[in-house]
Amino acid sequence: KNQVEQSPQSLIILEGKNCTLQCNYTVSPFSNLRWYKQDTGRGPVSLTIMTFSENTKSNGRYTATLDADTKQSSLHITASQLSDSASYICVVSARGGYQKVTFGTGTKLQVIP
Amino acid sequence: NAGVTQTPKFQVLKTGQSMTLQCAQDMNHEYMSWYRQDPGMGLRLIHYSVGAGITDQGEVPNGYNVSRSTTEDFPLRLLSAAPSQTSVYFCASSYSSSSYNEQFFGPGTRLTVL
Repeated sequence: KNQVEQSPQSLIILEGKNCTLQCNYTVSPFSNLRWYKQDTGRGPVSLTIMTFSENTKSNGRYTATLDADTKQSSLHITASQLSDSASYICVVSARGGYQKVTFGTGTKLQVIP
Repeated sequence: NAGVTQTPKFQVLKTGQSMTLQCAQDMNHEYMSWYRQDPGMGLRLIHYSVGAGITDQGEVPNGYNVSRSTTEDFPLRLLSAAPSQTSVYFCASSYSSSSYNEQFFGPGTRLTVL
């Protein structure tokens, strides 16, 4: 069964600090991996997408990495801001379209002043 | 563009009642889907549609019905609500069913079944 596990479950950091969120997956055959940001009471919004051949992808202060060999991904947030407080969800797609997508349970990040 | 809209935002039902969750998108997307989000679990696919007139079941379809008469609208019907259907429901749309296309989510409907 395809699975996506994220760690930590929750994290509290001081404004201005960096943090890294982890995602391990067992999804086969692998197609792509996305990181989503979900603000409280809102729907998820895509931050990055990576395919098998991509190691790193950046979107502003967000940098995602992918190691397809070890089936691990990370999301690094640089110089955190209060607006970064949200849940971050790792989503891995197997070949076959959106019907073959597995969502992680998310990491809840709180940035405090 | 309004993107993906959902109504209502909140709903409380009694066991056995039926209702329809509305979803509309104005991006002319062919692919639309419904998910439920429960505490401690990832989003799970309920039903999806690859175009008007075409729907199919996802991972957790029992107790739900869908139809797609137009490209824009994709309502989700709860036939006889049960407490196990208490959840947050998200509608999403994408240009196509390929997961390389970004999926846009609505703001969600929080449903409580008593």
